[in-house]
Amino acid sequence: DAKTTQPNSMESNEEEPVHLPCNHSTISGTDYIHWYRQLPSQGPEYVIHGLTSNVNNRMASLAIAEDRKSSTLILHRATLRDAAVYYCIPMDSNYQLIWGAGTKLIIKP
Amino acid sequence: KAGVTQTPRYLIKTRGQQVTLSCSPISGHRSVSWYQQTPGQGLQFLFEYFSETQRNKGNFPGRFSGRQFSNSRSEMNVSTLELGDSALYLCASSLDLFVNNSPLHFGNGTRLTVT
Repeated sequence: DAKTTQPNSMESNEEEPVHLPCNHSTISGTDYIHWYRQLPSQGPEYVIHGLTSNVNNRMASLAIAEDRKSSTLILHRATLRDAAVYYCIPMDSNYQLIWGAGTKLIIKP
Repeated sequence: KAGVTQTPRYLIKTRGQQVTLSCSPISGHRSVSWYQQTPGQGLQFLFEYFSETQRNKGNFPGRFSGRQFSNSRSEMNVSTLELGDSALYLCASSLDLFVNNSPLHFGNGTRLTVT
């Protein structure tokens, strides 16, 4: 199973961009990278996913390294509502999401 | 569109008892997955159902079981409860997890406390 490494926590100022890194050096060539976030007292929320190329949606952008050993989730303009735990998750060939401990994102007003 | 609904939100049970948790997926979603979340182990995959069939199973003992009905609603059951089963149980639905990695939509979970 592919393992991921994320910082335990990160801080950012409100209205500034945030770059959340993730290392997944053991990922296989067909594993998608998914990002979810979990706000306090809520279930996880889907953010974005991708395979090889960069992806954008209304919530965020996902930049995947050419060798696929790392990726970065980009929140273009952080708000207080973006404070959450962010999970970078490879989906393995058995279609199981392997959850790590995630990065706790703290947004300072 | 209504989200994923889990009932009940909170539950307190005694060791040795059994419990059934319910999940109503988003309309049109045929895949339902269950996860256990604890502070020590994080989110762990329990099982996934699609069209009333279990397609995938995590590494949990047989005391944990589930089923899915023809309307895609799902239930999970834990028998002979242990203190270590205290956790947040999350249900997630998707159109079809096996197709294009369709995203999971989670409910807010059922908080189970075993005393």
